[in-house]
Amino acid sequence: QVQLVQSGAEVKKPGASVKVSCKASGYTFSGYYIYWLRQAPGDGLEWMGWINPNSGGTNYAQKFQGWVTMTRDTSISTVYMELNRLKSEDTAMYYCARGASVESTVTFYHFDYWGQGTQVTVSP
Amino acid sequence: EIVLTQSPATLSLSPGEGATLSCRASQGVSNHLAWYQHKPGQGPRLLIYDASNRATGIPARFSGSGSGTDFTLSISSLEPEDFAIYYCQQHYRWLTFGGGTKVEI
Repeated sequence: QVQLVQSGAEVKKPGASVKVSCKASGYTFSGYYIYWLRQAPGDGLEWMGWINPNSGGTNYAQKFQGWVTMTRDTSISTVYMELNRLKSEDTAMYYCARGASVESTVTFYHFDYWGQGTQVTVSP
Repeated sequence: EIVLTQSPATLSLSPGEGATLSCRASQGVSNHLAWYQHKPGQGPRLLIYDASNRATGIPARFSGSGSGTDFTLSISSLEPEDFAIYYCQQHYRWLTFGGGTKVEI
């Protein structure tokens, strides 16, 4: 069965970086876009960007450009999201989610599978 | 940005009752709307895509309807496991989510 398994919770100091992983299994890793989204306490879900695991191509939401980096390692079916220059406002639950097929004409889509979430806490 | 407004914010019901959740878009999104169920400690679960299609493995008591700017998620008879937060999401232009409706006992 399709699974996305994320790395564990992180506690970071302001100004530091965090790198969260998302390991995919149960399907062809290179076949579907992987998105990263986050939900801060009391806020709604917010998309951060996506990565095409086949090509490595990325598209970041304007808010996160220059600040987030998404990469993948096809040998272990894993995608990574690194967020730099952390602030307290980046305290949130971070999710990876599977989107459209990379062969489709769309990149914005619904998400049929999600990771369990990774809590990132930024505190002095 | 397309804003999705969900109502009500909270729905207090009992098992066996029906639930009707609303999602209104600030501009038309055609049928590019999905619904998710979210429980603590888990990732959201896709229920409905393209406004009215049930996702794989979703029970028939969940149904979606609507097009353009007004959408509805209906749960015909609430089971104990259905008490959760429900979000709508549009992918017509970029991606946005509604603020959620909490269905509580």
